[in-house]
Amino acid sequence: GAVVSQHPSWVICKSGTSVKIECRSLDFQATTMFWYRQFPKQSLMLMATSNEGSKATYEQGVEKDKFLINHASLTLSTLTVTSAHPEDSSFYICSARDAGLSVTQYFGPGTRLLVL
Amino acid sequence: GIQVEQSPPDLILQEGANSTLRCNFSDSVNNLQWFHQNPWGQLINLFYIPSGTKQNGRLSATTVATERYSLLYISSSQTTDSGVYFCAGDSNTGNQFYFGTGTSLTVIP
Repeated sequence: GAVVSQHPSWVICKSGTSVKIECRSLDFQATTMFWYRQFPKQSLMLMATSNEGSKATYEQGVEKDKFLINHASLTLSTLTVTSAHPEDSSFYICSARDAGLSVTQYFGPGTRLLVL
Repeated sequence: GIQVEQSPPDLILQEGANSTLRCNFSDSVNNLQWFHQNPWGQLINLFYIPSGTKQNGRLSATTVATERYSLLYISSSQTTDSGVYFCAGDSNTGNQFYFGTGTSLTVIP
C-alpha cells in the first residue's frame, strides 16, 4: 500500500516551453501533497505544500507564477514549470500524506527535468 | 525554519561493518521519519519514529525528542545499503516537512 506515482519520470525540453508533472496517490487519498526540488548531491528542498481544493502554499523564494501547482482531487496534484529555463533543470519529487490517521509521508519516484 | 543537521556527511564502510547515523534538529519536530534514497532517486521509508526505538531487520532507529536528535543504526552492512540517508520531520504547524542534510553511505565489498 501507500504508493505514489509521478509522470513523467524524465523530460527534456527546450528553453521557454512549459512542462507539467503529475503526482498521484494510487491506493490512498491524500489531502496534502508536497513538492520538492533536489539538486545533485544536495538535500530535498520543499517548494510548496498543496491541499486539495485550495491554493498551494509556497516556500519563501519559490515563484508561484513560475511553478504552478494544482491539487484538483484527493489523488492528483500537478506541478507546471512555466517558461522553463536551464536553471530549472533539477530532480522534482512529490510526496503525499494519507488523509486518514497516518501522518507518514510517501514519496514518488521523482521526475528529472533537463531544460536545453 | 528548522535546521536539520546530519552526521557524518559521508561514510565509507566495509561490508559487514556497523554504523550509526545521527540527526540533530534545531527545534522540536513532529512525525520524524528516516528515508533511504537509492541511486535512482527513489525515497524509501525506513522508519516513522517520533520517539522511542524501533527495529526492522538490520536497521534500528532511536529518537530522543526532548533532546531533539535521532539515531539510525545499520548493522552488518551490505552493498545494497549504499545510498543517501535522510531524516525529516514536521514543524509544529505541520505544514512544512524539513529534510536533513543527508548522509551518503558507500558500502564496499
